[in-house]
Amino acid sequence: QSALTQPRSVSGSPGQSVTISCTGTSSDVGGYNYVSWYQQHPGKAPKLMIYDVSKRPSGVPDRFSGSKSGNTASLTISGLQAEDEADYYCCSYAGSYPLVFGGGTKLTVL
Amino acid sequence: EVQLVESGGGLVQPGRSLRLSCAASGFTFDDYAMHWVRQAPGKGLEWVSGISWNSGSIGYADSVKGRFTISRDNAKNSLYLQMNSLRAEDTALYYCAKGTFADYWGQGTLVTVSS
Repeated sequence: QSALTQPRSVSGSPGQSVTISCTGTSSDVGGYNYVSWYQQHPGKAPKLMIYDVSKRPSGVPDRFSGSKSGNTASLTISGLQAEDEADYYCCSYAGSYPLVFGGGTKLTVL
Repeated sequence: EVQLVESGGGLVQPGRSLRLSCAASGFTFDDYAMHWVRQAPGKGLEWVSGISWNSGSIGYADSVKGRFTISRDNAKNSLYLQMNSLRAEDTALYYCAKGTFADYWGQGTLVTVSS
């Protein structure tokens, strides 16, 4: 399984919206509605932000949303805040194993 | 509150072995699959291994297949990773994560493979 493809970096100003893409294949992202997104601040463990493509765990702000079209999943963060600056990883968990992660995207809030 | 606490990391020479543990609390451990995910310094996340709730289904990344063994003890609410024939490229922070889509993660235990 090859890693999913994410942009190395994205940026936006406070209050703006940004979208991070995650491209896989029909064998992972495109074949199942099993995509998750994680936020990781420096020196911290990853935190689940989105699962099953578009579902938000309890406690995650509704500024975070997920979607999918074909082999590409997307994470959109609206109303950007300074604390959103972090690394973001997508993951496909189709078929239970393996978990396939994207290479990660560094979000900078300008 | 879900808690996952990894232990067992350290500095080890290439070719040697190490056993990682993950102590789980705050949820019904034997209801969930569990995973080990690692992160090399300055790099991204890499799935290492996963195990179903009853150990009936196990998977490994190609990079560790044949060298690492995942196991769990539901009576002790614990997950393990036996790592043999360690290589420099296994140097990473090793996280355990709960559930099919890793909804909770521990803080990780650092494994450094170096002579």
